[in-house]
Amino acid sequence: ILNVEQSPQSLHVQEGDSTNFTCSFPSSNFYALHWYRWETAKSPEALFVMTLNGDEKKKGRISATLNTKEGYSYLYIKGSQPEDSATYLCAPHRPVLNTGFQKLVFGTGTRLLVSP
Amino acid sequence: GAGVSQSPRYKVAKRGQDVALRCDPISGHVSLFWYQQALGQGPEFLTYFQNEAQLDKSGLPSDRFFAERPEGSVSTLKIQRTQQEDSAVYLCASSLVYRATGELFFGEGSRLTVL
Repeated sequence: ILNVEQSPQSLHVQEGDSTNFTCSFPSSNFYALHWYRWETAKSPEALFVMTLNGDEKKKGRISATLNTKEGYSYLYIKGSQPEDSATYLCAPHRPVLNTGFQKLVFGTGTRLLVSP
Repeated sequence: GAGVSQSPRYKVAKRGQDVALRCDPISGHVSLFWYQQALGQGPEFLTYFQNEAQLDKSGLPSDRFFAERPEGSVSTLKIQRTQQEDSAVYLCASSLVYRATGELFFGEGSRLTVL
């Protein structure tokens, strides 16, 4: 069983606040880390896929860092807006099996609410 | 279609009924995945298809769950004799090909409530 922990479980901030949350995963047996954003009543949407230790990716006001040696990733949102309200899911991906497939395992997510 | 389409969006079933959930992936996408998201949990893997071949069904919780993709496009997840613990959002996702670093394209999910 791949133990994925996301913290905090939920977060309520005011518009304009910057925020960050954490995804922790076993550092051994790691291949890639996926971040998804899931707005209510919509489809989960891919944000980032990261593989290298020290990697940092950015999309607009959202950025993510990866530490594969200690097994964590941070997601940052600068100047939160109400439209950032969503559940943010991380999913570490283990090395692909010799069958050519390995399932993606999701954490329970961080639910972010941004008030105007 | 432009995205992954799932139907029905909402389904209420009485305990013991059979249900069928449909997924229409993005045209041309070889890989198709089903996930189950129970309340307060993250999505949990159910099964994976490459074209019409079901290559991994290790996440199906019991033999009441059955998935198929007979022509390598539309997929159906069938749940027989539904139980209350089957209440969840069932997500379908597709990708052009399977890669560990490839993003999945999800549908909006089918929310199943078993009374």
